[in-house]
Amino acid sequence: QVQLQESGPGLVKPSETLSLTCTVSGGSVSSGSYYWSWIRQPPGEGLELIGYIYDSGSANYSPSLKSRVTMSVHMSKNQFSLMLSSVTAADTAVYYCARGTSTIGGRPLDYWGQGTLVTVSS
Amino acid sequence: DIQMTQSPSSLSASVGDRVTITCRASQSIINYLNWYQQKPGKAPKLLIYGASSLQSGVPSRFSGSGSGTDFTLTISSLQPEDFATYYCQQSFTFGQGTKLEIK
Repeated sequence: QVQLQESGPGLVKPSETLSLTCTVSGGSVSSGSYYWSWIRQPPGEGLELIGYIYDSGSANYSPSLKSRVTMSVHMSKNQFSLMLSSVTAADTAVYYCARGTSTIGGRPLDYWGQGTLVTVSS
Repeated sequence: DIQMTQSPSSLSASVGDRVTITCRASQSIINYLNWYQQKPGKAPKLLIYGASSLQSGVPSRFSGSGSGTDFTLTISSLQPEDFATYYCQQSFTFGQGTKLEIK
């Protein structure tokens, strides 16, 4: 059974960089059939897909966040990561990592981590 | 950018009811539409992918239909565990969510 687990600081200061890691177990980030995503959800609000990355390192980011986002994949650790720079209070959210399946209709996000709350505050 | 409009935003229903949630795309997305269920404090769970394919392990009372711009998620007979928020998704865009509450 594939499992994903987010890790990283729960509190980040304004203007600093948010950094999160997702550790994958029961599967491999090097599988070409999948892509690896970050999604966030501000408290009481809906879902926003931040972006995703393939095992090749090729990434695709949300246009609204593109200038501040960097994703990377770490094969040897079976992890992938998110960096979001110049954060403000508007970036306060639960951050989820998820696996997407490239080879079926809709390219759905079929496995999700439990989520981690990141608060931006001084 | 493709916009996804989900309706209704909230819905009250009773156990045993048949419920339909709609998602409309601003342009044709063929069948690239997924549905998720989210319960409070939990990660979303995939229900339907490719507009109409049932994810493994999801009860058959859930079904999806549609193509092009108009899509529906139907729950044929609501169970107590189905009261949750439902989201449609196409690529980078999620619908606004439909909160399904007990009447």
